[in-house]
Amino acid sequence: AQSVTQPDARVTVSEGASLQLRCKYSYSGTPYLFWYVQYQRQGLQLLLKYYSGDPVVQGVNGFEAEFSKSDSSFHLRKASVHWSDSAVYFCAASSTGGYKVVFGSGTRLLVSP
Amino acid sequence: EAAVTQSPRNKVAVTGGKVTLSCNQTNNHNNMYWYRQDTGHGLRLIHYSYGAGSTEKGDIPDGYKASRPSQENFSLILELATPSQTSVYFCASGDAGNEQYFGPGTRLTVL
Repeated sequence: AQSVTQPDARVTVSEGASLQLRCKYSYSGTPYLFWYVQYQRQGLQLLLKYYSGDPVVQGVNGFEAEFSKSDSSFHLRKASVHWSDSAVYFCAASSTGGYKVVFGSGTRLLVSP
Repeated sequence: EAAVTQSPRNKVAVTGGKVTLSCNQTNNHNNMYWYRQDTGHGLRLIHYSYGAGSTEKGDIPDGYKASRPSQENFSLILELATPSQTSVYFCASGDAGNEQYFGPGTRLTVL
């Protein structure tokens, strides 16, 4: 079955530190991959997406993610986090041309001062 | 800019009552989705639609119906609401394989 796993339910980092949020997927073939962010009491917003090509994709607000086919991963990174990055981050995947998107369970990021 | 709106934003219902959640999109996307979000479960797909007049069951359709009368509108209907349906509901639109655009959510409490 297709699935997306985010192994870390909560991550706490200090402001200015680097960040990596982990995501593993299980899909036949190479899926389309996404990272979304959800701020308090809001809907999800797209951070970045990967369809094909360069495995490192850039997103908004300094976020980037790296696709690894061998590791079935799509980890999210940021070089220096800000307190405003505190939110819940969701990794998601869909099959090429598919209607359904499978979401991970989310990682709550807390940036401490 | 793409926009998905939901109404109501907050709803308190009684057990056994009927609840209708509405969603409107101005993105001209073919696909629309209804999810619920609960702590520990992330987003779970209830129903989706790939065009006006179509509805498809998602992963957790029991107790819910959906209606897609037009390209822009997609409703989620709880005919007999139960406390277990207390949750935050999100509507989204998107084209096949592409990113989804989410509404702000509806917080439903069933007493």
